[in-house]
Amino acid sequence: EAGVAQSPRYKIIEKRQSVAFWCNPISGHATLYWYQQILGQGPKLLIQFQNNGVVDDSQLPKDRFSAERLKGVDSTLKIQPAKLEDSAVYLCASRTTSGRGYEQYFGPGTRLTVT
Amino acid sequence: GENVEQHPSTLSVQEGDSAVIKCTYSDSASNYFPWYKQELGKRPQLIIDIRSNVGEKKDQRIAVTLNKTAKHFSLHITETQPEDSAVYFCAASISGSARQLTFGSGTQLTVLP
Repeated sequence: EAGVAQSPRYKIIEKRQSVAFWCNPISGHATLYWYQQILGQGPKLLIQFQNNGVVDDSQLPKDRFSAERLKGVDSTLKIQPAKLEDSAVYLCASRTTSGRGYEQYFGPGTRLTVT
Repeated sequence: GENVEQHPSTLSVQEGDSAVIKCTYSDSASNYFPWYKQELGKRPQLIIDIRSNVGEKKDQRIAVTLNKTAKHFSLHITETQPEDSAVYFCAASISGSARQLTFGSGTQLTVLP
């Protein structure tokens, strides 16, 4: 099966600019996650979707971050305006809700550098 | 919420030796514990996982043990090889529709030839 796709792979922007990341999960996976991974740290959950509804966005800095998952498939994560501390790798992951449904499959990530 | 502590942060072993990475978790309701391997610039990949109804699980050179009473779990890699060099993350999750993972801070494993 095809894996989780993300684009772009790399992005460099100046602070106060906006940026958007795209994720296409594994076909049929109802659950989608966005994580922020700062260099040297483990991934930290930003937001979780179940189909096109938000399950948990408690750790999403809503004053600057937004995310949507229209039609319950692809998802976009936006940052506006970006800050220096937003420099990180943004990982998308998906998971099936059928059967065992435990494993999360990660995409390759988008490395964001804010200058 | 859940908190996962991981030790050590760096680990160097000689090729052929064993490596052990330990994690502790705070929420006794957690019942799923995966381990991910992340090579430089690549995506995290699941290498082994364990559920709370099992005390130990093995897959070739990799094993994971779980002590629910003490709330800690460990990754054991035997006969290490240079290709085992990577960052390893433990994680914990509570079952249910959310199944959100809380990750540890990672262990940089270096296998010296």
